[in-house]
Amino acid sequence: GENVEQHPSTLSVQEGDSAVIKCTYSDSASNYFPWYKQELGKRPQLIIDIRSNVGEKKDQRIAVTLNKTAKHFSLHITETQPEDSAVYFCAAIFPGTYKYIFGTGTRLKVLA
Amino acid sequence: KAGVTQTPRYLIKTRGQQVTLSCSPISGHRSVSWYQQTPGQGLQFLFEYFSETQRNKGNFPGRFSGRQFSNSRSEMNVSTLELGDSALYLCASCDRDNSPLHFGNGTRLTVT
Repeated sequence: GENVEQHPSTLSVQEGDSAVIKCTYSDSASNYFPWYKQELGKRPQLIIDIRSNVGEKKDQRIAVTLNKTAKHFSLHITETQPEDSAVYFCAAIFPGTYKYIFGTGTRLKVLA
Repeated sequence: KAGVTQTPRYLIKTRGQQVTLSCSPISGHRSVSWYQQTPGQGLQFLFEYFSETQRNKGNFPGRFSGRQFSNSRSEMNVSTLELGDSALYLCASCDRDNSPLHFGNGTRLTVT
């Protein structure tokens, strides 16, 4: 069935360290993978996305990597800052379904 | 452009009542999706509409229904409310398939 698994569920890092969140998906035909950040009491907001025709994408301190063979993709945040503290969700779209399946979220805490 | 607008922001209802939530997408976006967000279950897909047609529905009981109007605004209705329906209901729009979802601030429904 359509499924996205996300790990870890919580992650604490020291300010300045890197954080990595991993997701796996079930349908090898999936071709679009966005990442969302949700701060407390706010809406989820897109921070980066990747399509299946590329293996990596970077935007300043944030990067996403995609391994289609293994059906997993990861979010990398470098030089973490306290304002990076939030819940992060990965998602995948399953072809022909018009719906995004979200991972269960990772609560990231950046300790000053 | 104005973002996705959801009304109302907060609702308190009692068991057995029904409720209607409203969503106005970003101008020009014809796809509207609804998600239920709870602490334990993350973001669960409810349904997706495009040009007034429901293209997919999630695994929710028939008490959950929705519709989309010709101006792309969407409503979702929950009848015979149960305590377990308490959640944040998020609406999202996008301008084409396989593109980023833009979320509204959500409607927080509390059922007592």
